[in-house]
Amino acid sequence: GAGVSQTPSNKVTEKGKYVELRCDPISGHTALYWYRQSLGQGPEFLIYFQGTGAADDSGLPNDRFFAVRPEGSVSTLKIQRTERGDSAVYLCASSPSGQGGYEQYFGPGTRLTVT
Amino acid sequence: AQSVAQPEDQVNVAEGNPLTVKCTYSVSGNPYLFWYVQYPNRGLQFLLKYITGDNLVKGSYGFEAEFNKSQTSFHLKKPSALVSDSALYFCAVTLSYNTDKLIFGTGTRLQVFP
Repeated sequence: GAGVSQTPSNKVTEKGKYVELRCDPISGHTALYWYRQSLGQGPEFLIYFQGTGAADDSGLPNDRFFAVRPEGSVSTLKIQRTERGDSAVYLCASSPSGQGGYEQYFGPGTRLTVT
Repeated sequence: AQSVAQPEDQVNVAEGNPLTVKCTYSVSGNPYLFWYVQYPNRGLQFLLKYITGDNLVKGSYGFEAEFNKSQTSFHLKKPSALVSDSALYFCAVTLSYNTDKLIFGTGTRLQVFP
């Protein structure tokens, strides 16, 4: 079956611009996670959705970052006034539930480069 | 705060030899532990997990890991390495009473030489 997909695969933007990154989870998965992976580091948690609601946004670095999941399926991560430090690979993952130790299925990521 | 340590940036092993990739964790509570593998230009793939029960867990591609509560470790092992096992390996932890957001280690690059 189809896995988690993310678009675009690559995004180059200028400092100060607004970007949107999209995630299509596995059908039926209620839990959706966003992580950010910088070069040479492990993924860092950003935000977790259970259904339509953001159940945990404690990983968002500041108020320039925002994410939505209006219908409980597709999610969009939005970054305002991008900075060079935002350059990273943004990973999306989904799982059948947000508790109980289910494994998460990751998408291929969106590589964001801020020039 | 939860944390995961992978003390080795890189592990080199000859094909056919056993391999170990180390992971230790620090949590206040009962952990759920995971290993993921990342191949070049591909997403993270789940290998195995420990939730409860038998301390030795078996996963994909012949990998296994042993949960050691007293040493707070969850080392990844394989009896006989393959060149195709060469990749970046991440250990991750979450708490049993919390949401399943994962805390990852910094990763260990495994290089298997023919």
